[in-house]
Parts: sequence; C-alpha cells; structure tokens
Amino acid sequence: DADVTQTPRNRITKTGKRIMLECSQTKGHDRMYWYRQDPGLGLRLIYYSFDVKDINKGEISDGYSVSRQAQAKFSLSLESAIPNQTALYFCATSDYPGGVRGYTFGSGTRLTVV
Amino acid sequence: AQSVTQPDIHITVSEGASLELRCNYSYGATPYLFWYVQSPGQGLQLLLKYFSGDTLVQGIKGFEAEFKRSQSSFNLRKPSVHWSDAAEYFCAVYGQNFVFGPGTRLSVLP
Repeated sequence: DADVTQTPRNRITKTGKRIMLECSQTKGHDRMYWYRQDPGLGLRLIYYSFDVKDINKGEISDGYSVSRQAQAKFSLSLESAIPNQTALYFCATSDYPGGVRGYTFGSGTRLTVV
Repeated sequence: AQSVTQPDIHITVSEGASLELRCNYSYGATPYLFWYVQSPGQGLQLLLKYFSGDTLVQGIKGFEAEFKRSQSSFNLRKPSVHWSDAAEYFCAVYGQNFVFGPGTRLSVLP
C-alpha cells in the first residue's frame, strides 16, 4: 500500500456542489498538507496541519476548508465548488522538522468542476 | 518571503544528451533546497536535497545539483538523459513550509 493515499483519484462535479477529498497516511508523520497544482503555477499551499489540534491556512485557502480527523487523516472540502477550482490536488506529509527529509506525496486527485 | 523561479517552462533534449534545469531562489537565510520529479499521473518524488556542506549534491536516477550562493541558484544536471526521464521537474525551497517553483517540463527525443 502507498504511504500516502488520496481518494478519489479522479472526480467530476458540478458547480455549487460540496465535495470532499480525503487523504490518509501510514508514515506516522505529524505534519500534513494540501496543495493544488495548476499548469505553469507549480504547487500552491492550501492548508496545513502540524498536529491534530493545529490547522493553518496556506496562500490560497479561500473556498476551501479542512478537517484533521486523526494523525493519519486530513480531508479537504470544497463547500461550493466553482470551475476555477478545477486542478490537481496533492496531499503531502512530513515529519518534524519537515525540511530535513522533504515531503511524501500522494498520487493526487484530479478534480474537474463543470 | 521565499520564492522560486524556474526560467524554462519546457525543455526538449535528445536521448543521451546532457541536461541542465535552472532554478533560482529567494530566501533570507541559508536555504534548504530540493528537486522533485513528477511523472505523468504520479505524485512528486524527491530527487535530491541540499542543506549545507558540499555544494554539489548527488541524487537518485543519476541526477546531481549544484548550490551557488552567489547566484542564488540550484541547477539540476544529468550527464546523459534517458527516455524515462521525461517528466516535470520542480525546484523547491523550504522555510517554514515548502515553496515550489512553477516547474519545467522535460521532453526526450529518441
């Protein structure tokens, strides 16, 4: 099994719908992150969590919310999806300090909002 | 604030040719620097990282990168490219969190 598992792998949803992307990890890492990837923009941080009780906004958190249900689970929600949220979403984990060994990434969720 | 630029959006090389992907960063302190590779349909895989010490670092798959403080650069190199190296490459700097560059897409001609 993958160290970081994202579900679903692909999703098409309609404008205005609520959608949840899920991430689970077996790395035992405390830190978890949600990024979105857009062509030519690289990866941009949406939210991050350093432990179960710690949630922080990233650079593009508007329109998103997260829930850290357990050390191993970190979900991203789009409360009312809009077309410009069409992107590839990645979950990542790291230990502390996170820079020492880099991130472990999931395989991504490709979300299309129509 | 930290930032990363990758001047080349897309590079095409012939198989067996040498490769250099450019990365420039902005960060107020000594940076932690990384290169990641993303194959189609996959997540990002760590190629190599620099924290301190020897400015030439070796990574997986035959890649290396050189940190040049005077130029704020961390360019990725490979002496002989293989067709399987076709992918997107991201440079990243780590401060409180990672900041990624926009990526360089590498195509390899047979």
